[in-house]
Amino acid sequence: LAKTTQPVSMDSYEGQEVNITCSHNNIATNDYITWYQQFPSQGPRFIIQGYKTKVTNEVASLFIPADRKSSTLSLPRVSLSDTAVYYCLVGESNFGNEKLTFGTGTRLTIIP
Amino acid sequence: NAGVTQTPKFRILKIGQSMTLQCTQDMNHNYMYWYRQDPGMGLKLIYYSVGAGITDKGEVPNGYNVSRSTTEDFPLRLELAAPSQTSVYFCASRRQGNEKLFFGSGTQLSVL
Repeated sequence: LAKTTQPVSMDSYEGQEVNITCSHNNIATNDYITWYQQFPSQGPRFIIQGYKTKVTNEVASLFIPADRKSSTLSLPRVSLSDTAVYYCLVGESNFGNEKLTFGTGTRLTIIP
Repeated sequence: NAGVTQTPKFRILKIGQSMTLQCTQDMNHNYMYWYRQDPGMGLKLIYYSVGAGITDKGEVPNGYNVSRSTTEDFPLRLELAAPSQTSVYFCASRRQGNEKLFFGSGTQLSVL
């Protein structure tokens, strides 16, 4: 499983766009990039997953450059309810990489 | 569907006692995981299973045991509880070929 590096914490004001970057220099050809969100006292929740270029859903966008050595989670117009810890995972879904480990995550605090 | 169900939600143990944390999922997922999360920290993988009868160690397996006799259930056993095992325990599952993990609501365990 490719090791990931994220900023420990970030602050942002309500209504702004927030971008959280994850570095994964050793990403393998078959690896996907998955982001999770965790609120206090809850288990992590899946946000978005991608392999290359850009993926968008109702919650966020995920930007992946051509070399795939990093990825950026973009949260549009954040609100106080987006205060949470965000984790980036990189790994292959199929045989040979069932062991999913989490990094330290990024603690995002939204300021009113 | 109930998803991933963990019991109990809270438990206090005395040093040296034993207990089993229960986890069951109704999504017919092959893969199941146990994580622990210490206060303010990320998730650490304890054990995981890729199917009934198959289990493997994660990052922090010492002091724990697991079994996987059915697809649905993946109990975590603590033998001789120690204060260092005070943590929140999360069970998760996913389908083979998809990295989207589904988490239970967690078990908060205190060993005093």
